[in-house]
Amino acid sequence: GQQVMQIPQYQHVQEGEDFTTYCNSSTTLSNIQWYKQRPGGHPVFLIQLVKSGEVKKQKRLTFQFGEAKKNSSLHITATQTTDVGTYFCAGPVNNNDMRFGAGTRLTVKP
Amino acid sequence: DTAVSQTPKYLVTQMGNDKSIKCEQNLGHDTMYWYKQDSKKFLKIMFSYNNKELIINETVPNRFSPKSPDKAHLNLHINSLELGDSAVYFCASTYNTGELFFGEGSRLTVL
Repeated sequence: GQQVMQIPQYQHVQEGEDFTTYCNSSTTLSNIQWYKQRPGGHPVFLIQLVKSGEVKKQKRLTFQFGEAKKNSSLHITATQTTDVGTYFCAGPVNNNDMRFGAGTRLTVKP
Repeated sequence: DTAVSQTPKYLVTQMGNDKSIKCEQNLGHDTMYWYKQDSKKFLKIMFSYNNKELIINETVPNRFSPKSPDKAHLNLHINSLELGDSAVYFCASTYNTGELFFGEGSRLTVL
C-alpha cells in the first residue's frame, strides 16, 4: 500500500558536523511536512512544502521537495546539541490520512 | 491555553482491563487523529475523524474504538488490554491536512 519511507533510522554526529535525512513516497504527494520530536516530547511541526522542487530554509535547516513530489530531504548544517531528537517526514497519502516516515533519530556528541 | 490536550498523561493497568484516553482541541480544527508510537518511535496512524465521521480506520484490533461526541473531542477506548498495547498514544488535530498539532501523549503501560 501507499507509504512514506525514511532513512537513515539513526544518525550519530559530532557537534559541528552536518546531518541529512531523506524521505521517499511510493506516490506523488500534495505536500510534505517535517516534524521534530525531542526525547520525551511530542512531535512538533517544522515546515510544510507544497511546490515541486521547493527549497525552504530555517536558520541552519534546509528542506527540499523533489521535482516529482515523491521525495524530500532535511539538511542541518553544523549540528548543535539542541538539534538532538527524532525527525519525521509526513505526507497525506489518502485524503486526510497523514502518514509518517519511520523517523531519523539524531544524536549529537559535544 | 493548551491547543491539544489529552488525559491521562500516564496510565498503568493490568491485562484484560478496559481504559479510555481523552483528547480535546480548542483550535477549531476539522480533523482529529490518534497515533500509536511504539518503543522504536514509529508513529502509526490508528484513526482519523473528520467532522465527527470516521474517515479512515487502520487495521487496528476492534478492541480499540474511537468516540467523538463533537468535533473538538476524540476519545480512545480500549477493551481487554494486552501487553502489546503498551505504547505512547498521541492525539493530533489539523485543518485541511495542514500542520498537525499534537497533544503531549499518553503513556500506557500494560502489566
